[in-house]
Order: sequence, then C-alpha cells, then structure tokens
Amino acid sequence: EVQLVESGGGLVQPGGSLRLSCASSGFTFSSYGMSWVRQAPGKGLEWVSSISSSSSTIYYADSVKGRFTISRDNAKNSLFLQMNSLRDEDTAVYYCARDVPDYWGQGTQVTVSS
Amino acid sequence: QAVLTQPSSLSASPGASASLTCTLRSGINVDTYRIYWYQQKPGSPPQYLLTYKSDSDRQQGSGVPSRFSGSKDASANAGVLLISGLQSEDEADYYCMIWHSSAWVFGGGTKLTVL
Repeated sequence: EVQLVESGGGLVQPGGSLRLSCASSGFTFSSYGMSWVRQAPGKGLEWVSSISSSSSTIYYADSVKGRFTISRDNAKNSLFLQMNSLRDEDTAVYYCARDVPDYWGQGTQVTVSS
Repeated sequence: QAVLTQPSSLSASPGASASLTCTLRSGINVDTYRIYWYQQKPGSPPQYLLTYKSDSDRQQGSGVPSRFSGSKDASANAGVLLISGLQSEDEADYYCMIWHSSAWVFGGGTKLTVL
C-alpha cells in the first residue's frame, strides 16, 4: 500500500523558515517523480514544486521560486521542501504527492502569522 | 484569464448523470493535453480519479468505479468528467489539472452537490 506521511508544519512568523518532510513507503520511491501541492484555507489546489526521480529536473511555481527548495533522499525514501522567507499567503495545507500526482499524503498545516 | 476554468458549482439528483467541464484558455488546444481529474471531500486529501487524453490514451485510478469517465468536447476546448448513477457519496469538490509550460496547473474546482 502506497503511503505518504508529511511532517514539519507549524506556526512561523513572516520571514521565517520551515522544512517539510515526506516519508514514503509501499512503492519504489527512487523510480518516481514527486511533488508538493498546497491548499490555502477554503481555496483550491495550487501546485508548488516537482522533482524527478533522480533529482535531475526540478520545477517551481512562480509564487515560490527563489524562496522554496525541493529535494529528496532516495536512500531514505524521503522528500523535502525547504521554505524560506515565508509570507502570510504561504499559509496552507501542504501535500506531498507521487508522480502525476496519483497518491497524496494527508497533508501538514503551515501557518505564517505574526 | 485562467489556464483552466471550471464552474464553481453543480447540482444533480441521485441516480442521474453529471458532466463536469474543464475549459482550457483560448490558444491552448485541449487535443494536445492529458487531463487529470481529482475528487476531494472535506477534511481529506485529493483522490486521483482518472486521466483522459483520447479513447486510446486514458487511465482509471486504482479502485475508481467505472461510472467515473473522462472525455473531451473539442468544440468547447474542454475536458469533461462524466459521473453516471450519482450517489450521495459523490458529493465533493472536483478538480481538473494539466501539465502546461513546465507546471502542473489546476482548475479552480467544482463543488458537486447531490440532492
């Protein structure tokens, strides 16, 4: 069974940093591209970033480019999102998703507020 | 103008069929895109339903009932999610998505009410 479990969310002040993690199991992590998708309160889905299976190709949404960094550790079956210079508008549930995306984690809440 | 436009809401009766549309912005040809569909219920993550590009290039999500199907309306430059035999459990938000200009792009979502 494919499982994706996010962690690392929390309350942070504007301008602060957070590092999200996503632990995977139930599939060969190193064979799949991975993505982060977020959802602000009461809003729709917004893609954040994607990384290829070997980390050779990375994409970012314009809204986070230069502030967020996606990475992965295939030996530890884990995906990461380093978020710097956080803004109020980054407040959302952040989901880790596999590939297309076809499987999603339960999400981790990030709240940016003073 | 948004890349993908979905009606904000749709209502249908139990047992009936519902067609949810996802209209691509003018200048973006629906024929060249795979369209992905997701269902999201309150408090839960999105669930992948299916992918549709053509009748020969489509995929159903694991465990997704066959009463969920995809198609395209080329005249409207739109992707369509058809849900037949509506059940109360189908009440949810539905999102379409495409890969466009090196980014996953979501539609704004349609809230389907079954009543």
